[in-house]
Amino acid sequence: EAGVTQSPTHLIKTRGQQATLRCSPISGHTSVYWYQQALGLGLQFLLWYDEGEERNRGNFPPRFSGRQFPNYSSELNVNALELEDSALYLCASSSGIERGKNIQYFGAGTRLSVL
Amino acid sequence: QQQVKQSPQSLIVQKGGISIINCAYENTAFDYFPWYQQFPGKGPALLIAIRPDVSEKKEGRFTISFNKSAKQFSLHIMDSQPGDSATYFCAASARGAAGNKLTFGGGTRVLVKP
Repeated sequence: EAGVTQSPTHLIKTRGQQATLRCSPISGHTSVYWYQQALGLGLQFLLWYDEGEERNRGNFPPRFSGRQFPNYSSELNVNALELEDSALYLCASSSGIERGKNIQYFGAGTRLSVL
Repeated sequence: QQQVKQSPQSLIVQKGGISIINCAYENTAFDYFPWYQQFPGKGPALLIAIRPDVSEKKEGRFTISFNKSAKQFSLHIMDSQPGDSATYFCAASARGAAGNKLTFGGGTRVLVKP
């Protein structure tokens, strides 16, 4: 069974441009989460989508947005890129909380570099 | 506001030794505490997890100890192997409309020397 897949693996953009990152969850999973892993800052929660709806977002500016498609795949859009947006963007999927366990499975990430 | 504090930032242990990583949390609504292992170039992978109704959980060489009153939990890696060299993250989540997201600690880079 395929795990969480993310594309592209690497993305190089310049300041002010827009970036689009894509994520395909594990088959059967309806929830998709996005996290930012910046150097030295750990993993920061960005967005949570479930059943096509945005359920929660972290402390990030509105430049960070996304959506979830009917097939539960998701894309993250970052507008007006800034140098500090350079990071590894991780997508995770889950089938929801089962028996109190919030198990999230991560993809390998998209490395975004803003020049 | 960092709700999950992790220490140490890095750790060097000899092969066969014990690696111990500690985490402390503030939000008493947290009810699920997973540990993730991340190798360079890979996404984090779930290693082991615990809920606050138990004080210890063991899976192979990995053990989580949980102290609800102190709001602390720790990961012990017994008989550490070079293949365990990775970055380890503790995390916590709470159920509810604003929950489900994972709040991560800052990570611990573990190096196991042969």
